[in-house]
Amino acid sequence: EAGVAQSPRYKIIEKRQSVAFWCNPISGHATLYWYQQILGQGPKLLIQFQNNGVVDDSQLPKDRFSAERLKGVDSTLKIQPAKLEDSAVYLCASSLPFRRGAGELFFGEGSRLTVL
Amino acid sequence: GNSVTQMEGPVTLSEEAFLTINCTYTATGYPSLFWYVQYPGEGLQLLLKATKADDKGSNKGFEATYRKETTSFHLEKGSVQVSDSAVYFCALMSGGGADGLTFGKGTHLIIQP
Repeated sequence: EAGVAQSPRYKIIEKRQSVAFWCNPISGHATLYWYQQILGQGPKLLIQFQNNGVVDDSQLPKDRFSAERLKGVDSTLKIQPAKLEDSAVYLCASSLPFRRGAGELFFGEGSRLTVL
Repeated sequence: GNSVTQMEGPVTLSEEAFLTINCTYTATGYPSLFWYVQYPGEGLQLLLKATKADDKGSNKGFEATYRKETTSFHLEKGSVQVSDSAVYFCALMSGGGADGLTFGKGTHLIIQP
């Protein structure tokens, strides 16, 4: 079974530039998450989708971050304009609905962003 | 809000030593509790979980028991191996899954031969 795919693996940009990350979840997983993991910290939830609807985006900095999940499958996370403090690993995860999957999330390898 | 506190690392042990990584939590309601592990160069993966009080999760020789009275979910292993070297994250999920996972900061475990 194919895992969660993310790209690019690494990205270096200047501050105020824009960047986009792509995620393809495991086939059949209705729930998709984007997490931000800053060095030395645990992952922080940015946004959660159920199919193509947003369940929780309370911690997404909406002035610069946006995410979409068209057709309820692939998702993109965009940052525009980037700030130095956005340097982090952006993790995508997918899961079955909670009652079926009992909370197990499957993570991709992440996209490491460096903002100079 | 939900939060998870786990012991700071790095934790350095010799092979075959006994391991404990402490984890305590704050949550509304009755959360499910998890340990995730991140091996070098790999993505996060579920190690074990417990969904209600007094449940014990176990996998690969690791165990953790859901203690509601002490709001804890400590990770233990009787005899660690070099291959256990990784970063371990304690996490919880509440709200029927609508809140996603809340993670601790992670504990870097280093096992020396």
